[in-house]
Amino acid sequence: DAEITQSPRHKITETGRQVTLACHQTWNHNNMFWYRQDLGHGLRLIHYSYGVHDTNKGEVSDGYSVSRSNTEDLPLTLESAASSQTSVYFCASSDSGTGAVDTQYFGPGTRLTVL
Amino acid sequence: TQLLEQSPQFLSIQEGENLTVYCNSSSVFSSLQWYRQEPGEGPVLLVTVVTGGEVKKLKRLTFQFGDARKDSSLHITAAQPGDTGLYLCAGGRNAGNMLTFGGGTRLMVKP
Repeated sequence: DAEITQSPRHKITETGRQVTLACHQTWNHNNMFWYRQDLGHGLRLIHYSYGVHDTNKGEVSDGYSVSRSNTEDLPLTLESAASSQTSVYFCASSDSGTGAVDTQYFGPGTRLTVL
Repeated sequence: TQLLEQSPQFLSIQEGENLTVYCNSSSVFSSLQWYRQEPGEGPVLLVTVVTGGEVKKLKRLTFQFGDARKDSSLHITAAQPGDTGLYLCAGGRNAGNMLTFGGGTRLMVKP
């Protein structure tokens, strides 16, 4: 069965360190998204990609970067981790359909703590 | 500032009670989705509504999209402990499959 996975599921790091969170999907979806989830804020979009070599900034992109070298993966990098980036991170993917809005399929999340 | 405001933020009820969750915005959306999220997992889509005034039913859950496509509601009849979770609304716009999420309503249904 197709799925979307994230790794690691939990990560503790120190302020200033570079951290990369992995996202891998086997849906063969063109669209991939990274969100962060904080209490009271729902899900906020960090970066998104509509295909290989395409990346775009979302609502809260400062301090984060992504690259898309293939269809399956969209790793999220925190260049220099800050305590404000402690959060739960979700990756999602969707197909490039012609409907009004496509279904986004979410991974299980990565809980990141920056000390 | 949340573009989509959900209310209430928290709701604790007894099994068998009815409840309604609201999702409001000053902006117009082309569609509105409702997701449910359980602890330690990602959100899972429950329903998508795309037409102003549209009503969709999913067993004991009834979803409505406002006539002006600025608001939506989720009504649960005879809530069960299995309904416990975080309910998120998300507004979509025609361009780019991007979603704007509300802050969520955390529901607890006690047996």
